[in-house]
Amino acid sequence: EVQLVETGGGLVQPGRSLKLSCVASGFTFNNYWMSWTRQAPGKGLEWVASITNSGGSTYYPDSVKGRFTISRDNAQNTLYLQMNSLRSEDTATYYCTRSYYDGYYHVFAYWGQGTLVTVSS
Amino acid sequence: DIRMTQSPASLSASLGETVNIECLASEDIYSDLAWYQQKPGKSPQLLIYNANSLQNGVPSRFSGSGSGTQYSLKINSLQSEDVATYFCQQYNNYPPTFGAGTKLELK
Repeated sequence: EVQLVETGGGLVQPGRSLKLSCVASGFTFNNYWMSWTRQAPGKGLEWVASITNSGGSTYYPDSVKGRFTISRDNAQNTLYLQMNSLRSEDTATYYCTRSYYDGYYHVFAYWGQGTLVTVSS
Repeated sequence: DIRMTQSPASLSASLGETVNIECLASEDIYSDLAWYQQKPGKSPQLLIYNANSLQNGVPSRFSGSGSGTQYSLKINSLQSEDVATYFCQQYNNYPPTFGAGTKLELK
């Protein structure tokens, strides 16, 4: 059974940093692209970052480019999201997601339970 | 960015009814469209990809159709467990983008 478990969320002041982690199990981690997608309270979904299965390439939308960094440790089956210069508009539940399979990199087939990040002074 | 417009924003339907949710892309996405279901307080779940391919384990009362810029999700014989918010998402172009969601309630 595929499992994705996120940790690291919490309350952080604007301008500060936070690092999220996602431990994966139930599949061969290094075979799949991984992504982070977020959902502001009561709002829709927004893709935040993706990383190739090897970790060699990363992708971001303009809203977080230069502030967020996605990375992975394939030996530890763990995905990370380093978030710097946080803003109030980054307040959201952050979901770790796994791609469907090869070629379907941005079909998000599995989702974690999410971790809430609140940016407020 | 490709804009995804869902309609309606909310709808109320009775058990056993057939429900249709529409999704309009701002440009041709060549059937690179997924549908997700998010039940209250839960994470989203993939229902359909490639506009009409059912994810494993998804009940056959769910179906997707469409091409070009216009897509739809159909739920036959509505069940109580189908109460959720439904999102469409395009993955043809960066960045992948989602519709705002359609909240489905029971009448």
